[in-house]
This record gives sequence, structure tokens and C-alpha cells, in this order.
Amino acid sequence: RKEVEQDPGPFNVPEGATVAFNCTYSNSASQSFFWYRQDCRKEPKLLMSVYSSGNEDGRFTAQLNRASQYISLLIRDSKLSDSATYLCVSPTGGGNKLTFGTGTQLKVEL
Amino acid sequence: NAGVTQTPKFRILKIGQSMTLQCAQDMNHNYMYWYRQDPGMGLKLIYYSVGAGITDKGEVPNGYNVSRSTTEDFPLRLELAAPSQTSVYFCASSYPRQGEHSNQPQHFGDGTRLSIL
Repeated sequence: RKEVEQDPGPFNVPEGATVAFNCTYSNSASQSFFWYRQDCRKEPKLLMSVYSSGNEDGRFTAQLNRASQYISLLIRDSKLSDSATYLCVSPTGGGNKLTFGTGTQLKVEL
Repeated sequence: NAGVTQTPKFRILKIGQSMTLQCAQDMNHNYMYWYRQDPGMGLKLIYYSVGAGITDKGEVPNGYNVSRSTTEDFPLRLELAAPSQTSVYFCASSYPRQGEHSNQPQHFGDGTRLSIL
């Protein structure tokens, strides 16, 4: 099993829709996760941290399910500007190393 | 506060040439990282450092070298450039973990796009 697995998409949704992505992880001891956003040909940028049970920030909600070893990202009221690739991130051993998933592509359309 | 600064932004090299990708951060982060990202692929860790004078290999270190003489700087060196090293290179930095399972987010520079012909 890969350390982090994501559905690559693309998810094509209309503006205003609610969309959810899931990500599975293999390290059962992990307790902190992250969602990053990466625009085309740009650097990854931190979107949300996911500690303990979950986190909410405006239109974005991240949940952690330890029993099934997955985290999710929910985006409500999608905007055109939400179009990007969303990277799921899990810790990997010492040195604060992180494993980045290959990303889920979201396209929000008019 | 500039964050993580990478130079150059773009570079074309000939096979066999060498170059150094520069990375500097002004956030007083102990930890620094180098990744490469090939088109349509995820980030792969090349090298990382947990402090000045300490470096360690990541997932794909072959063909690269690093040094960490100061907290701020973490240059990546390509000694003999090969076409397989054509990629986008990202440098990142972070604080140390706050506990065994309390990882910190990493903050990225805007990348160096390197082509080797």
C-alpha cells in the first residue's frame, strides 16, 4: 500500500457545488496531516492542517478517520478560483519528513 | 519577510555541466528540504537537513549533493547534469516536530525549473 493515495481526478464541478476528496494513508501511527493546494506550475501552499478529529476554515472542512485511515477535504460553494490540484500529506518518519500524495485535480466551471 | 527564496527560477544546462540551486529562508526554521517534481507526478524528497551541519538522504539522492553551513541556506548541487534530472525543484523549510506525532507544515519556495539538454 502506498503511503498516501489519492484519486487523481479530475473532478469537474459547477460553480457553487460541494465537492469532497478522500485520501488514504498507510502509517497508522500518524496523527497530523495536511492538505496543500498546488496551482499549475506553482509551489504547493498549505491549505489546512488536520490534527485529531478535523478542522474547518470557512468553506473548507477536513476530517480524519483513524479507524479507516483516511482523511477527507470538503469544499462548499466552490469558486472558480478553487480550481487547482489538492495534495494530501502524511508524516513519514523523523526529521519532520512528509509524504505528498500525487494530488487530486479540481476544475470548477461556470 | 520573504519566506523561502529560490534562485534561479529557470535554467537550461547541457549534459555534464554542473550547477548549484540556491535556497534561503528567513523564518529561522531548523529543518530544510529539497524536492523534485516531474510533470504529472508527486513530490520526491532528494535531501533534507535538520540543522546546520546535518544533512541526510531522501528518496532520490543520486546525482545530487547538499550542504548546510548556516541555518538560513541549503544549496543543492548537481555535479554532472543528466537529462533525467530535468524537473522542477522545490526547496522547503519547517520547524521541528513538536512531539513524536505532531508534525509541522512545510513552507515552499516558488521553485527552480531546470532543463538539461
